[in-house]
Amino acid sequence: GENVEQHPSTLSVQEGDSAVIKCTYSDSASNYFPWYKQELGKRPQLIIDIRSNVGEKKDQRIAVTLNKTAKHFSLHITETQPEDSAVYFCAAGYNNNDMRFGAGTRLTVKP
Amino acid sequence: NAGVTQTPKFQVLKTGQSMTLQCAQDMNHEYMSWYRQDPGMGLRLIHYSVGAGITDQGEVPNGYNVSRSTTEDFPLRLLSAAPSQTSVYFCASSYSQGAYEQYFGPGTRLTVT
Repeated sequence: GENVEQHPSTLSVQEGDSAVIKCTYSDSASNYFPWYKQELGKRPQLIIDIRSNVGEKKDQRIAVTLNKTAKHFSLHITETQPEDSAVYFCAAGYNNNDMRFGAGTRLTVKP
Repeated sequence: NAGVTQTPKFQVLKTGQSMTLQCAQDMNHEYMSWYRQDPGMGLRLIHYSVGAGITDQGEVPNGYNVSRSTTEDFPLRLLSAAPSQTSVYFCASSYSQGAYEQYFGPGTRLTVT
């Protein structure tokens, strides 16, 4: 099955700086790569996703890049704000089938 | 729309007891899934369903059963609870098994003593 590794496990940035979280996956058949944000005690919520026929996707301050050859994808958050503080999870799978998640990155944005 | 709902929010079980975690969605989604979340391990897929009457195993299915008799409901049954099943359980649904967003329920925090 798919194996997803996520780095770093914790990330602390100053407000206004950029944050980058990286994930690698093992199964070349995977074609769907969502990113979820989870605030303390809350449910995960999708913030952005990318499909394998696209190399980059951007939504305001959030962007995701995908390198299928190297089997890695990254989340980029620019101009970070305190409300961006949360745990972020990457995931990979063939459509939604047997979706595998990374272990998570705890992002802290210091005012 | 209520979205994805789960009951109960909290549950304490003794080892060997059985129980059912309820999950329902009102979005007419075909795809539903159950995950468990343990500290430092992200979310792990237990079982999923691509439509009524169809279920399949995920990454960690042992000790759990599911059924999907209607589009709306996807209950998760713990057959004989073990301390290793102490976790937060999330149900999720999606428009289909294709590459679509999964919407998560609020979660059930289960403790097995």
